[in-house]
Amino acid sequence: KQEVTQIPAALSVPEGENLVLNCSFTDSAIYNLQWFRQDPGKGLTSLLLIQSSQREQTSGRLNASLDKSSGRSTLYIAASQPGDSATYLCAVRDNAGNMLTFGGGTRLMVKP
Amino acid sequence: DVKVTQSSRYLVKRTGEKVFLECVQDMDHENMFWYRQDPGLGLRLIYFSYDVKMKEKGDIPEGYSVSREKKERFSLILESASTNQTSMYLCASTEDRRGYTFGSGTRLTVV
Repeated sequence: KQEVTQIPAALSVPEGENLVLNCSFTDSAIYNLQWFRQDPGKGLTSLLLIQSSQREQTSGRLNASLDKSSGRSTLYIAASQPGDSATYLCAVRDNAGNMLTFGGGTRLMVKP
Repeated sequence: DVKVTQSSRYLVKRTGEKVFLECVQDMDHENMFWYRQDPGLGLRLIYFSYDVKMKEKGDIPEGYSVSREKKERFSLILESASTNQTSMYLCASTEDRRGYTFGSGTRLTVV
């Protein structure tokens, strides 16, 4: 059974810092991997989707990488801003079906 | 962009009531899902559907049922609401090779 782990669980950084969020998964037979952002009390907003054949995806200040063989993905946030404060969730879709397996999330706080 | 709309942001219901949570997507997606999210437990899959009138149990289906009479609409039903069903409920849809799109969530409180 796929297991997804996100480290750290919480992170506090000063504004302007570049940071990396980590996601690891146990079964490398994945279909794709998706990073989400969740603000308190809200739904999930998709940030980046990486197909299994891709190595990375970029959107603005965000860059996500995927290393399937080692079971790892990272989300890089450049020049962090207070508005980036949220919980970031990594989710893996396996080859076997349409279901996602979620990590526990990283709660990010960017201090002004 | 795909839009997934959940009809209510906040709901307060009494124990024993039958509760309907509605979800509508506008991009003709085959697959739709209901999750609940609780602190410390993360997101857990309740039910999903891969076609009209088709449904499959997820990890925690007990106390819930679903209905998918039209492709765009997937309803979650709490047959007899209980306090342990107080939670954030999230609906999502997806199509092959595309990512998931989630709704804005329904915060349900059962008193």
